[in-house]
Amino acid sequence: EPEVTQTPSHQVTQMGQEVILRCVPISNHLYFYWYRQILGQKVEFLVSFYNNEISEKSEIFDDQFSVERPDGSNFTLKIRSTKLEDSAMYFCARMDSGNYGYTFGSGTRLTVV
Amino acid sequence: GENVEQHPSTLSVQEGDSAVIKCTYSDSASNYFPWYKQELGKGPQLIIDIRSNVGEKKDQRIAVTLNKTAKHFSLHITETQPEDSAVYFCAASDSNYQLIWGAGTKLIIKP
Repeated sequence: EPEVTQTPSHQVTQMGQEVILRCVPISNHLYFYWYRQILGQKVEFLVSFYNNEISEKSEIFDDQFSVERPDGSNFTLKIRSTKLEDSAMYFCARMDSGNYGYTFGSGTRLTVV
Repeated sequence: GENVEQHPSTLSVQEGDSAVIKCTYSDSASNYFPWYKQELGKGPQLIIDIRSNVGEKKDQRIAVTLNKTAKHFSLHITETQPEDSAVYFCAASDSNYQLIWGAGTKLIIKP
């Protein structure tokens, strides 16, 4: 199975700005996820995306967040108006076919200043 | 919903000794229990997993045990090496394939 690649590896943005985090390349898997990890804390579920639709989302995933799979390969997480507390590592993951395990990307470190 | 508790938060062992990390879960419907290793600045890497129809699984120096009745599962690392130093996370997957994570264990291997 190919790796899950995320870009950028580090993003610094000013509070109130929009950011788009990307997960590339994506093979023809059906389930994708975004998780985040605030420094020193546990990994938290944000959203699951199945068959090009959101299937589940957590309380963290409010109206400021959105996900897309715009061209059938990239999988993006958008934060419309970033807040200081959005600073975290954001991980994209896919569910692997066959064993239904997860493969995580290397993460994007988002720093909101 | 599911809740996963992980202990200890930090574990320091002598190189060559064994390390055991324990997790409990609350949702009896959870059926998939992976363990991830996270090194500094990297994403979680799956090291071993177990499903609810299996009680134990081993891969070289790493083993995982599952007790469905007690709703707990454990990671065992034998003959620890310096490269085993990392943060280890347990997780449980519910029927929606959503991973609920433990808080992590920082494993320190002393030379």
